[in-house]
Amino acid sequence: EPEVTQTPSHQVTQMGQEVILRCVPISNHLYFYWYRQILGQKVEFLVSFYNNEISEKSEIFDDQFSVERPDGSNFTLKIRSTKLEDSAMYFCASRGGQGAENGDTQYFGPGTRLTVL
Amino acid sequence: AQSVTQLDSQVPVFEEAPVELRCNYSSSVSVYLFWYVQYPNQGLQLLLKYLSGSTLVKGINGFEAEFNKSQTSFHLRKPSVHISDTAEYFCAVSRSGAGSYQLTFGKGTKLSVIP
Repeated sequence: EPEVTQTPSHQVTQMGQEVILRCVPISNHLYFYWYRQILGQKVEFLVSFYNNEISEKSEIFDDQFSVERPDGSNFTLKIRSTKLEDSAMYFCASRGGQGAENGDTQYFGPGTRLTVL
Repeated sequence: AQSVTQLDSQVPVFEEAPVELRCNYSSSVSVYLFWYVQYPNQGLQLLLKYLSGSTLVKGINGFEAEFNKSQTSFHLRKPSVHISDTAEYFCAVSRSGAGSYQLTFGKGTKLSVIP
């Protein structure tokens, strides 16, 4: 069964450093998402991406964040200058869209745990 | 905007007993409703979803949920739980229809099944 994959599973970085979290969505999916879950808190939406551009973003997704789909398979989240409060589990998700089987369902990857020291 | 309330942060239940995890939502537009499960140190797995039609939806692992529009609820139920059901359960809502609509999650309910 196709699945969303994410690398690395755990990233440790120093405050102020740049990090790139990588995701490979399910092939042929059209909509891509990043969410985060701070330890002990609920899952929060960061950004959605469709047709090579951001379609929605939350208040959390400020100028320090960016997303990119550099090729036909990868979907990345970059944090330019990490802060302590960026420590969280980051989930990537993808959705097929209309015409796709279960096109309305977002499928999640296993997450990347980011620890900012 | 949508919001989701999961009133119970933790639910302990004995093995083979029934369980209900409560979810209420708020939205000014039509919505899709989802339940996801998160096992320890894993990602989110879809349990079931309501899009339209029958208000009783069945999902994986013997779970079911009922959409109640008048009460704006989407409670999750299982008639007999197993140890393996120990996990955190998240209710989520999105706008219905086409588009890249985000999911809004509740705070989650930790289900602990006691042997």
